[in-house]
Amino acid sequence: DAEITQSPRHKITETGRQVTLACHQTWNHNNMFWYRQDLGHGLRLIHYSYGVHDTNKGEVSDGYSVSRSNTEDLPLTLESAASSQTSVYFCASITPPAPTGELFFGEGSRLTVL
Amino acid sequence: AQKVTQAQTEISVVEKEDVTLDCVYETRDTTYYLFWYKQPPSGELVFLIRRNSFDEQNEISGRYSWNFQKSTSSFNFTITASQVVDSAVYFCALKQTSGSRLTFGEGTQLTVNP
Repeated sequence: DAEITQSPRHKITETGRQVTLACHQTWNHNNMFWYRQDLGHGLRLIHYSYGVHDTNKGEVSDGYSVSRSNTEDLPLTLESAASSQTSVYFCASITPPAPTGELFFGEGSRLTVL
Repeated sequence: AQKVTQAQTEISVVEKEDVTLDCVYETRDTTYYLFWYKQPPSGELVFLIRRNSFDEQNEISGRYSWNFQKSTSSFNFTITASQVVDSAVYFCALKQTSGSRLTFGEGTQLTVNP
């Protein structure tokens, strides 16, 4: 079955370290997203991509970057992790056509920055 | 700018009670989509419903029903005869048709006690 997977599912790191969260989907969806979930804030959009080599900033993009070298993957990088980036991160992709499509989420990656 | 507000942070009910989760949204678009997602304690995000702005008919799916009122910019979700398995965080979300990004509300934690 086609799916969307995230790794690692849990990670503990130290302030200042670089961290990359992987997201891989097998549906060949063009549109992919990264959200973070924090209590009291719901899910907030970090970055998104509408296709290969396309990346866009969301509402909470500071301190994060993404790259899209192929359709299947959208890795999220924290260049220098901060304690404020402790959160649960969700990757998602949307079925085409995007305006009416359904958003499918990965299982989430829980990141703790000490 | 889009905004989704779920004013109820937490709701606690006793099994078999009916419960309504409120969702109010703001958008300048005339065409948009509204969603509800469920996040059980296991953490995954489960799609429940998508409704476009042209369709104001209420929808019922088993014990779940949704009341979309464009005049009040609300898309409320009712669970009839609640069960312990309904305990979860529920998110309301809004999507423009011009793009594919979803804007989420803060979520409502529903606890159904036996």
